Amino acid sequence: DAGVIQSPRHEVTEMGQEVTLRCKPISGHNSLFWYRQTMMRGLELLIYFNNNVPIDDSGMPEDRFSAKMPNASFSTLKIQPSEPRDSAVYFCASRPGHAGETQYFGPGTRLLVL
Amino acid sequence: GENVEQHPSTLSVQEGDSAVIKCTYSDSASNYFPWYKQELGKRPQLIIDIRSNVGEKKDQRIAVTLNKTAKHFSLHITETQPEDSAVYFCAASSDNNDMRFGAGTRLTVKP
Repeated sequence: DAGVIQSPRHEVTEMGQEVTLRCKPISGHNSLFWYRQTMMRGLELLIYFNNNVPIDDSGMPEDRFSAKMPNASFSTLKIQPSEPRDSAVYFCASRPGHAGETQYFGPGTRLLVL
Repeated sequence: GENVEQHPSTLSVQEGDSAVIKCTYSDSASNYFPWYKQELGKRPQLIIDIRSNVGEKKDQRIAVTLNKTAKHFSLHITETQPEDSAVYFCAASSDNNDMRFGAGTRLTVKP
């Protein structure tokens, strides 16, 4: 298995632009998570899906952030409009089944908003 | 919801010494406790985990202990090597609540 796949790996954009991050979970995994990591705030859970349904989006910073999971093999995290404070590494992770199982992280997308 | 606290935030040891990282959790229903290692510029990767029906688990130089009564668990690394240098995250989850991570510990092993 290729593991969790994320694209792009690096993104540099200007303030105000729309940014779309993509994730393909491990085949057969039922849950998908989006995290943001910064030096100041550490690893933050933004949103997670079970069976393609958003379960908890309380970590989404504000309305500029949105996430979708149209099918079991694809999810997007969109920031519109982007701001410099959104600069971070965004990780996607997937998990086989219920909460008491391991999450497997993708390689991350390093976002820089100028 | 679950709250996980991790200490220390930074730890520096001499090569060959042991390193201990401690975490506490708040939800008594938590029953799964993984530890992740994140090297610079890389993704967090699972290195060891423990479930609530076990008090200790060991894998070569790393071990994890769990005290359910006190709601704390610890990572022990013996005979540390420079390649152990990384950020380590603890986490806790239950059947009904998803994983919450500690703030991380930056471990530096000096040659």
